[in-house]
Amino acid sequence: AQSVSQHNHHVILSEAASLELGCNYSYGGTVNLFWYVQYPGQHLQLLLKYFSGDPLVKGIKGFEAEFIKSKFSFNLRKPSVQWSDTAEYFCAVTTFSGSARQLTFGSGTQLTVLP
Amino acid sequence: DSGVTQTPKHLITATGQRVTLRCSPRSGDLSVYWYQQSLDQGLQFLIQYYNGEERAKGNILERFSAQQFPDLHSELNLSSLELGDSALYFCASSHLEAGELFFGEGSRLTVL
Repeated sequence: AQSVSQHNHHVILSEAASLELGCNYSYGGTVNLFWYVQYPGQHLQLLLKYFSGDPLVKGIKGFEAEFIKSKFSFNLRKPSVQWSDTAEYFCAVTTFSGSARQLTFGSGTQLTVLP
Repeated sequence: DSGVTQTPKHLITATGQRVTLRCSPRSGDLSVYWYQQSLDQGLQFLIQYYNGEERAKGNILERFSAQQFPDLHSELNLSSLELGDSALYFCASSHLEAGELFFGEGSRLTVL
């Protein structure tokens, strides 16, 4: 069965630091890739997505992610974080097998940005 | 506002009881997903419906059941509730089965 790994459970950064959150998945076929963010007390919202094309995807609020097929990775990056980026970040992968679609979420990474 | 509506927002009940959570997807979305989020288990996929049919099942307990109605709204029924069922239950919808999900605000269930 496919799985999604987010190795960093909790990341603590100071404002203006650069961010990279790892996401790896285990599936050799076609995938759609997503990053969602959950601000404290709120629901999950889409940050960015990759379906096909340019593997470098830009999302909202200055976030970007790069799909590296050979590494089965879709890491999330931001050059300079802000206090308001404090949230939990989830990587998600949709895999395709025939007519079946399966969406799998990673366990999430809690990002705390110190002012 | 994602366009996904969940009711009730908060629910407090006792062990052994039964509750129903309701979800209205975004207009035009055919897929509905249910997730459970708790501190110790994280975000757990429960079940997915597409146009009224069950499409995928995750870690859903036998005490839980769900359905999607012809008007595409969905209900998640939780019975014989236990303390460990206390969690935030999210509904999400999508237009395409493999597309992005739009999440509702969640229903916070507290079992006392």
